[in-house]
This record gives sequence, C-alpha cells and structure tokens, in this order.
Amino acid sequence: DTGVSQDPRHKITKRGQNVTFRCDPISEHNRLYWYRQTLGQGPEFLTYFQNEAQLEKSRLLSDRFSAERPKGSFSTLEIQRTEQGDSAMYLCASEASYEQFFGPGTRLTVL
Amino acid sequence: AQSVTQLDSHVSVSEGTPVLLRCNYSSSYSPSLFWYVQHPNKGLQLLLKYTSAATLVKGINGFEAEFKKSETSFHLTKPSAHMSDAAEYFCVVSDPGSGYSTLTFGKGTMLLVSP
Repeated sequence: DTGVSQDPRHKITKRGQNVTFRCDPISEHNRLYWYRQTLGQGPEFLTYFQNEAQLEKSRLLSDRFSAERPKGSFSTLEIQRTEQGDSAMYLCASEASYEQFFGPGTRLTVL
Repeated sequence: AQSVTQLDSHVSVSEGTPVLLRCNYSSSYSPSLFWYVQHPNKGLQLLLKYTSAATLVKGINGFEAEFKKSETSFHLTKPSAHMSDAAEYFCVVSDPGSGYSTLTFGKGTMLLVSP
C-alpha cells in the first residue's frame, strides 16, 4: 500500500459527458502529479502541483482538462466533453525527496 | 529534453534463471533514473533509484541496476527469477534541475516467467 488513494477506480461514461477524478496524496507531501497511461504505453506527465499552486502543465492537457488542488491536500482532475481518445488510466502520485509514490489509478472508458 | 528507450517490449525467462531488462536514456542534465514495476490492477511500485551516488544500485526483491554514463544505459538485472516477478517494468528518467521531478517513462517491458 503506497498510501496514495484514487477514486473512483473505474469509470465508464458516454462520449460528451463530464467526469471528475479524485486523488488523496500521502499526507504532508507537498508535490502532487497527474499522469495518463494508455494501453501499451508508459505513463505520460499531465500536470504538477506544489501545494495548491499548479506549476506545470503538459501540452497533453487540452482545454477540456482542468485540475485543482484547492487546499493543498487532495486534488481533482476533471475532463469535460469526454472523447473516446480520453480512454486511459489516470494516475496520481505524491512526492517526497524526489521519490514519487503512485496511487492505483482511475481507469476511464469512454463509450 | 529527456527520453528513455526500453529495448525489449517482452522478455521471457524460466523460473530460477537470470533476468535482464535493458534501458537506454537521453538527458541534457545529470539525470536521476528509476525502475518501477506494475503488477496487474496494482499501482506502480518503485524498485530502485539512481541519484548520482553509487553506480550500482540495489533495490527491492533482489533487483539491481548499473548506471553506465558512457553507454547511457541503466539495465535492470536479477540473478534468479521468481514467478512473482512477472509484471511490467518501466525505466524512468527525471531531471530535477528545475526544482521538481517530472518523470519520463519508457514504454515498458513485460516480464514473463515460466515454471
């Protein structure tokens, strides 16, 4: 058990719907990362938070994606108007001493 | 820009035989390098990390990796495979020079262990 939790573990939605995922990092970890992993690929960086500040966003994070970490604790990732290409595993990680601890991920399927 | 190439998409070994998973990296800075393992339906777990200390790094479950700057390689080895080692393995590079550590993952190597 890495201590990072994600909810839900699985989400099936229809194209065009909005979805929101939650990540609870290990407490006292100031840095939080979101990654996306598609079938047959390694995880790809999406965005990074230092406390509540979103400091870096990948070009993979289109305008339909938004992430927040309102109080520097848990984080949410929202995808608006989902597309079939959004189907993937969304991973969250929190960091201490340059070591990232990953949650189990949320698997999104867009029909 | 940093990148990682995992040279084999699949590696098959018999239980009790050595494991070698190959990784080459490219980085503009002195990188940190990691190996993560992903078992089905489980989160990524750190096996070991190199952060410019000893070039031979020992990790969990008997795995180790050697950083070779001249070859830009960071291959993962284990003397004797166990059935429970069957999983997907990711080589990862990070450039912490920016003050945070965005990880760049390879495409993964699936390790298959037969009895």
